[in-house]
Amino acid sequence: QKEVEQNSGPLSVPEGAIASLNCTYSDRGSQSFFWYRQYSGKSPELIMFIYSNGDKEDGRFTAQLNKASQYVSLLIRDSQPSDSATYLCALSSNTGNQFYFGTGTSLTVIP
Amino acid sequence: DAGVIQSPRHEVTEMGQEVTLRCKPISGHDYLFWYRQTMMRGLELLIYFNNNVPIDDSGMPEDRFSAKMPNASFSTLKIQPSEPRDSAVYFCASKHTNTGELFFGEGSRLTVL
Repeated sequence: QKEVEQNSGPLSVPEGAIASLNCTYSDRGSQSFFWYRQYSGKSPELIMFIYSNGDKEDGRFTAQLNKASQYVSLLIRDSQPSDSATYLCALSSNTGNQFYFGTGTSLTVIP
Repeated sequence: DAGVIQSPRHEVTEMGQEVTLRCKPISGHDYLFWYRQTMMRGLELLIYFNNNVPIDDSGMPEDRFSAKMPNASFSTLKIQPSEPRDSAVYFCASKHTNTGELFFGEGSRLTVL
């Protein structure tokens, strides 16, 4: 299994604040990176993916990738209580066909 | 689209019994993955198939675990004999070759007493 490390949290932020979720990985050959959201008792669902170094924005979400530092992050702006969930960082192998997940960071947005 | 369908949603069994989990991937998806999720270890990749062929089963924990995909619309994960440490949520996921997004089923929660 590829190593994908996340701070398990829990991370608590007030409503309207920016939530910052971080992930590091060990395999320099990894090409693609994904953020999944998992509500309690539910299955993971894809929020964003990123392939290139730099930032990628989608609505209130921004993914950041730094391959030199083997670091990927997710920023959630204007956090809402509905954002309270576990966020899973994932990467794909260099073939693009195997996906490895971190253990997730639990986020709570306080109204 | 019905999404990835897994059954059963919940299974409670006694140690030593055989457990069979089932998965129907999204039609047209040529990759199928089995994951196991626990609090301690997170989502672990057990095995994946491409066009019904097992490609990598290095994540299967022991010989007690086996998986099959007899056709493009059905896969099973079998545990025989089951042990309490197998208790977890087992997810099936599928994807199409040209996309990176995994679509997950709702999971099968297994409890082995």
